[in-house]
Amino acid sequence: SQQGEEDPQALSIQEGENATMNCSYKTSINNLQWYRQNSGRGLVHLILIRSNEREKHSGRLRVTLDTSKKSSSLLITASRAADTASYFCAPLTGFQKLVFGTGTRLLVSP
Amino acid sequence: GAVVSQHPSWVICKSGTSVKIECRSLDFQATTMFWYRQFPKQSLMLMATSNEGSKATYEQGVEKDKFLINHASLTLSTLTVTSAHPEDSSFYICSAPRTGGGSDGYTFGSGTRLTVV
Repeated sequence: SQQGEEDPQALSIQEGENATMNCSYKTSINNLQWYRQNSGRGLVHLILIRSNEREKHSGRLRVTLDTSKKSSSLLITASRAADTASYFCAPLTGFQKLVFGTGTRLLVSP
Repeated sequence: GAVVSQHPSWVICKSGTSVKIECRSLDFQATTMFWYRQFPKQSLMLMATSNEGSKATYEQGVEKDKFLINHASLTLSTLTVTSAHPEDSSFYICSAPRTGGGSDGYTFGSGTRLTVV
């Protein structure tokens, strides 16, 4: 299993602004998943992008994947205070145990 | 769909006692369950992988005799922290692939906050 490395470690923005966080990984993947963790809670699956996809949208979320650079980005548009959470990426090659990096801690201020 | 129910959400126990945490898959069959531990302001650390009907596989450094995992059915996996000590105080989370192979993502329980006093 490989873990993704999220960047930045922390991000602080105002409501209404966009938030962008990045994920880098080391070896080739089948898909990459993004998760959100609110403080003191379990993780919530946000979006999955497959290795043959370059971009995917889900509501206010936009994910890109560049397999040549082994990187992905998660964009949250028009962020809200409720988006305050830690965000983790999970690069996967087939079925495997999920291991996580340190994540990006997003703080959205009203 | 693909909901994992984790109980209890929080528990306080005395040193030396044992605590059982349950994770149930409500609307799907979880042949595999992953167990994580998370200390404050840190990432999730994978502890072990349980498979229905077989012994769990533990990550390096995790004491299998202290963290007993049972996965006796396709819908229930349990983690028992035996002879708990204050250093076992942590946030424990379970996770299962939504579908076979995890190609549709993984679903997580809501976590259990364990405090050992």
